[in-house]
Amino acid sequence: GENVEQHPSTLSVQEGDSAVIKCTYSDSASNYFPWYKQELGKGPQLIIDIRSNVGEKKDQRIAVTLNKTAKHFSLHITETQPEDSAVYFCALSWGGGSEKLVFGKGTKLTVNP
Amino acid sequence: KAGVTQTPRYLIKTRGQQVTLSCSPISGHRSVSWYQQTPGQGLQFLFEYFSETQRNKGNFPGRFSGRQFSNSRSEMNVSTLELGDSALYLCASSLGQGANGYTFGSGTRLTVV
Repeated sequence: GENVEQHPSTLSVQEGDSAVIKCTYSDSASNYFPWYKQELGKGPQLIIDIRSNVGEKKDQRIAVTLNKTAKHFSLHITETQPEDSAVYFCALSWGGGSEKLVFGKGTKLTVNP
Repeated sequence: KAGVTQTPRYLIKTRGQQVTLSCSPISGHRSVSWYQQTPGQGLQFLFEYFSETQRNKGNFPGRFSGRQFSNSRSEMNVSTLELGDSALYLCASSLGQGANGYTFGSGTRLTVV
């Protein structure tokens, strides 16, 4: 069935360092890969997404890369700040009118000042 | 622009009771999806409604049901509550035109005692 493996489950970095979170999947039909950030007491918030016809997308300090051959995609956060501390989730979907997303188990990122 | 509104924010129910949760999507969004979030299982898809019709359903027992009204507002119902139903229930809305990023609400925290 659908499955997304997300690593690491926890990540601690110093302010200003980079953070990388990786997700692997098995279904080659997957074509949409969003990343969500969830802060305490709030719902997940979409921070960046990528579609299967694109290899990389960047938005200021955040970037996502997709390797369709290896079936993995990664979130890169540069120049981390304490407010980046949160739980990050990768997800995927198959398009074709389906809104269903399958989520990874999450990565708790802590940015130490 | 108002976000996704979920009510109530917190709920405590007794085993065997039933509960109804409400979700008001972003204006213009026709798709509403529901997710259950627990520490052990993460974010799991319950169902999606689009134009008052259930378009997708996850692997949850029939005790979990939902509906969508003509104004796109949605409700989900859980009957015969079990302790394991304790979770954060998240609603997300989107335009419903294929895989696109959702906007999540802040969720309803359900505790079953």
